[in-house]
Amino acid sequence: NAGVTQTPKFRVLKTGQSMTLLCAQDMNHEYMYWYRQDPGMGLRLIHYSVGEGTTAKGEVPDGYNVSRLKKQNFLLGLESAAPSQTSVYFCASSYRGQPQHFGDGTRLSIL
Amino acid sequence: EDQVTQSPEALRLQEGESSSLNCSYTVSGLRGLFWYRQDPGKGPEFLFTLYSAGEEKEKERLKATLTKKESFLHITAPKPEDSATYLCAVQAATYNTDKLIFGTGTRLQVFP
Repeated sequence: NAGVTQTPKFRVLKTGQSMTLLCAQDMNHEYMYWYRQDPGMGLRLIHYSVGEGTTAKGEVPDGYNVSRLKKQNFLLGLESAAPSQTSVYFCASSYRGQPQHFGDGTRLSIL
Repeated sequence: EDQVTQSPEALRLQEGESSSLNCSYTVSGLRGLFWYRQDPGKGPEFLFTLYSAGEEKEKERLKATLTKKESFLHITAPKPEDSATYLCAVQAATYNTDKLIFGTGTRLQVFP
């Protein structure tokens, strides 16, 4: 039982490049979330989804897009990467009203 | 504005030296307060959920308590393997989703 799996684990981009982070969960959870974690800032919600085909903005959505075409997958896209998006990105999933389960993160550096 | 503040930022303990971590919150109606543990290079790992003032939960050397304004994570006779960052998060009743608001964490080091 893998839980929440994030791909890739590390990535270095140049400013202006695009990329997609993949999150996959095998727990049949309805809800999925993308957070970023920065020193001194705590975890901040970027986007979330309450079911297949639905997405919504979180606290810091600018510069990111998401898609949830399948229940088990939640994709986070950066269309034109900026140095301010250097961070550690975490995906989480949950049943409604239950604790969120987190993946081990993607460490993204933008030069 | 909904907010979570954790203190201290960092805590160093001798093995066996008990202590407490604090999480104070302001939220427009609390649905739940969550404690997570995060090891370096890993994602947060769920520990406890507390729903109402007066509630307590225990797991091994950890005990979480909740009042109307704050939560404490008590660590009794800690061991080096308890070293980690402990995160507190709240869910507000005004949200129609399960969004969490996180504090910045307390980094705990337990040395032999």
